[in-house]
Amino acid sequence: EAGVAQSPRYKIIEKRQSVAFWCNPISGHATLYWYQQILGQGPKLLIQFQNNGVVDDSQLPKDRFSAERLKGVDSTLKIQPAKLEDSAVYLCASSSPLRGQGNSEAFFGQGTRLTVV
Amino acid sequence: RKEVEQDPGPFNVPEGATVAFNCTYSNSASQSFFWYRQDCRKEPKLLMSVYSSGNEDGRFTAQLNRASQYISLLIRDSKLSDSATYLCVVRRNTGGFKTIFGAGTRLFVKA
Repeated sequence: EAGVAQSPRYKIIEKRQSVAFWCNPISGHATLYWYQQILGQGPKLLIQFQNNGVVDDSQLPKDRFSAERLKGVDSTLKIQPAKLEDSAVYLCASSSPLRGQGNSEAFFGQGTRLTVV
Repeated sequence: RKEVEQDPGPFNVPEGATVAFNCTYSNSASQSFFWYRQDCRKEPKLLMSVYSSGNEDGRFTAQLNRASQYISLLIRDSKLSDSATYLCVVRRNTGGFKTIFGAGTRLFVKA
C-alpha cells in the first residue's frame, strides 16, 4: 500500500515570499490532516479535512495560511507571506473512516522541511 | 497550560533497563489515547493505542488512568533501537475528532 506522499521535501524561501506544499493521502482515506512541527515540539494541528470539508481549522493562522482539498483527495497548504517563525516541518497525515474515527490510526507523510530566511 | 503534557526528558538509560513515561491530559472529554514514536528527522508512527484495561505489545505496556487523567508507557529490556521521541496523543470528539499531540519525551538508550 502506498503511503502518504508529500512534496517538496525541502524548501528555503525568504520572508514575505509565498510557498505551497502538496499532499496525496493514502487511497480511500477520507480524513486528511496538516500539522506544523517546530523543532523540539510535538506536531500542532493546523487543519483537518473530512473528504473536502473542513472539520477543524481553529489553529490555522488564517491571515497567512490557507489550505484546500477540492476533490476530497489531494490537498495543498499555502503560506503567503511567510515569516521567520514559520520555519518548521509541515506534516500531512491521513486516516481511514472504515475503522471509525475514534481509534483510526493516522499515517504520516515524510513532511516538508521549510526554512524561512 | 497545554492540553497534553509530557516530561521532555531526555531519559538516558542503559541497554536492558526498564523506563516509564507519563503523559497528562486536561480535557476530561478525551476519548482515545495513543503513543506514537518519532525518530530523528522522521515522521511520527503509531506505536500503540492505549485501552482502558491497559495493553501490552511485546516489551511495551501502555496504561490509562481516566480518574487521574494520565497515560503511561513502560518499556522493558530497552534496546538501542528504542532511542527516539515518544509522543503522547489524545483524541476527543468536538463535532469531528480532534487529535492533540504532546511535545514528546526523548529517550536515549546507551550500550
